[in-house]
Amino acid sequence: DAKTTQPTSMDCAEGRAANLPCNHSTISGNEYVYWYRQIHSQGPQYIIHGLKNNETNEMASLIITEDRKSSTLILPHATLRDTAVYYCIVESGGSNYKLTFGKGTLLTVNP
Amino acid sequence: DTEVTQTPKHLVMGMTNKKSLKCEQHMGHRAMYWYKQKAKKPPELMFVYSYEKLSINESVPSRFSPECPNSSLLNLHLHALQPEDSALYLCASSPGTGSSYNSPLHFGNGTRLTVT
Repeated sequence: DAKTTQPTSMDCAEGRAANLPCNHSTISGNEYVYWYRQIHSQGPQYIIHGLKNNETNEMASLIITEDRKSSTLILPHATLRDTAVYYCIVESGGSNYKLTFGKGTLLTVNP
Repeated sequence: DTEVTQTPKHLVMGMTNKKSLKCEQHMGHRAMYWYKQKAKKPPELMFVYSYEKLSINESVPSRFSPECPNSSLLNLHLHALQPEDSALYLCASSPGTGSSYNSPLHFGNGTRLTVT
């Protein structure tokens, strides 16, 4: 069973913020929220991850609700090169650490 | 450019051929992964190696045989594949040690395999 639910597709205008939602209502206390993206014909690229607190790096911001049942990835100024499939993944660490990808959201940034 | 290098980029093989996919990383990572991705689908985990030992096999058919000769190299040996095995094969690595157990995976750009 999928641990996360994401919209199938979203559109965003170039230069505007892209807000990608993810529901993970069954997340457990030791599970992290990861975001990856996959641009056409490339391997997945790590964007950001978090446990409880909001996180920001040079690529994006991650907002996690207080109950941790949902999160939002924010690309502050989307460009055409941000067009990709964005995957929200919930996984714990540990010796058998792995990532299980769901279907993701196809974000299309339009000029 | 990625820090995980996969060769070849493209491979066409017949069902009776034997071929190998190669993956290399020099980041000192101790965990390495093989994923398979069919067109318009998400990547699916096949194998995980931790400290050069196979730690996860997601019930992959024996016609796929992984090998980790050292901490920098990961191979996937292919034999008697079927046309439905045509896919993008992705390699990834992660630090895999101590508090870095949740560290991000670094992916290569994959080998696009076509089985005829």
